Amino acid sequence: DTGVSQNPRHKITKRGQNVTFRCDPISEHNRLYWYRQTLGQGPEFLTYFQNEAQLEKSRLLSDRFSAERPKGSFSTLEIQRTEQGDSAMYLCASSLLAVSSGYTFGSGTRLTVV
Amino acid sequence: GENVEQHPSTLSVQEGDSAVIKCTYSDSASNYFPWYKQELGKRPQLIIDIRSNVGEKKDQRIAVTLNKTAKHFSLHITETQPEDSAVYFCAAGSSSGTYKYIFGTGTRLKVLA
Repeated sequence: DTGVSQNPRHKITKRGQNVTFRCDPISEHNRLYWYRQTLGQGPEFLTYFQNEAQLEKSRLLSDRFSAERPKGSFSTLEIQRTEQGDSAMYLCASSLLAVSSGYTFGSGTRLTVV
Repeated sequence: GENVEQHPSTLSVQEGDSAVIKCTYSDSASNYFPWYKQELGKRPQLIIDIRSNVGEKKDQRIAVTLNKTAKHFSLHITETQPEDSAVYFCAAGSSSGTYKYIFGTGTRLKVLA
């Protein structure tokens, strides 16, 4: 286990198509987060899982976005009917239960909607 | 709402000089403050963090200070080196709820050789 793994690294899609990203966290980490980062900005919180339970969703997460973590291990983030404004880096992070355990981020999936 | 302000947005220093980045948070419940370094095209990496029961923490050339009363915290890098050039993000987190972090907008640090 070498860290948080995200696939694919890059995704180019046409407007209106659906896309799905995958995140494999560090195996012993209970917490999993999805963030979105646009150029020149800090990561923005999208959603959080503790084990398989999705406990919080940001207002940024419209109804076109859905995330799952079915067995409390890997997670998927799906965007339906993509829009150009969805173009961003989507970062996954995981951590242990203790708040003072800093996140470990994955390398991200860069989405470009054309 | 929850907000973290970060200044400056860009910072250029000569090699060997010190660099200071400042952040202010709004959520009184925040009690954990990590700093991340992000090199171009790479993932953010945790470089140092501080909890609310501590006023200062140091790790070699990097130090972080926290003023809970004023709700601000700072990153100090001494004896800067070209490899310190990157974007630095501060963040604030809370032990209540989801432990999500609110990030600042980042500081692009350039260390000039």
